[in-house]
Amino acid sequence: GEDVEQSLFLSVREGDSSVINCTYTDSSSTYLYWYKQEPGAGLQLLTYIFSNMDMKQDQRLTVLLNKKDKHLSLRIADTQTGDSAIYFCAETTGGFKTIFGAGTRLFVKA
Amino acid sequence: ETGVTQSPTHLIKTRGQQVTLRCSSQSGHNTVSWYQQALGQGPQFIFQYYREEENGRGNFPPRFSGLQFPNYSSELDVNALELDDSALYLCASSSSFGTDTQYFGPGTRLTVL
Repeated sequence: GEDVEQSLFLSVREGDSSVINCTYTDSSSTYLYWYKQEPGAGLQLLTYIFSNMDMKQDQRLTVLLNKKDKHLSLRIADTQTGDSAIYFCAETTGGFKTIFGAGTRLFVKA
Repeated sequence: ETGVTQSPTHLIKTRGQQVTLRCSSQSGHNTVSWYQQALGQGPQFIFQYYREEENGRGNFPPRFSGLQFPNYSSELDVNALELDDSALYLCASSSSFGTDTQYFGPGTRLTVL
């Protein structure tokens, strides 16, 4: 079946890099996404990667995709206190459905 | 360019009642998807509408239904509310179904007492 799993918590110091990991089960995934959700807010699309890519970089964000292991990661360079939020990994599969993980709560310590 | 908007922002209902939630899609988008996000969980796909037709559905019972209008705005209707329906309901729009990137609204927080 379709499933996306993430670790629940990550704590880093301000200025360090954060790496949030995700695994998924559906090998027919076409797009994989990272969303950010701040308290009381909707989801903000951070970045996405096509399933035929290995890496994508967008300013402080680097996405790595290992399709063989069905593993996706998001690296945030120079993490700031404003990056504290919940980060969701998601995959689009079946043409219309997007499957989300449970989210990783990132705590950034000043 | 106007983003995705949802109304109301908060709603309190009692068990057994019915509720209608509304979503206006981003300008130029013809596809709307609805998600339920329970506290501490990721969003769960409810269904998607493309050009006024239901295009796909997740594992939700028939008391969850919807509509899409000619201007591509959408409604989510939930009948016979249960306590477990308490959640944040998110609407997302995209310019086509399938793999196109979805943009989310701020959500409607529904509390069922």
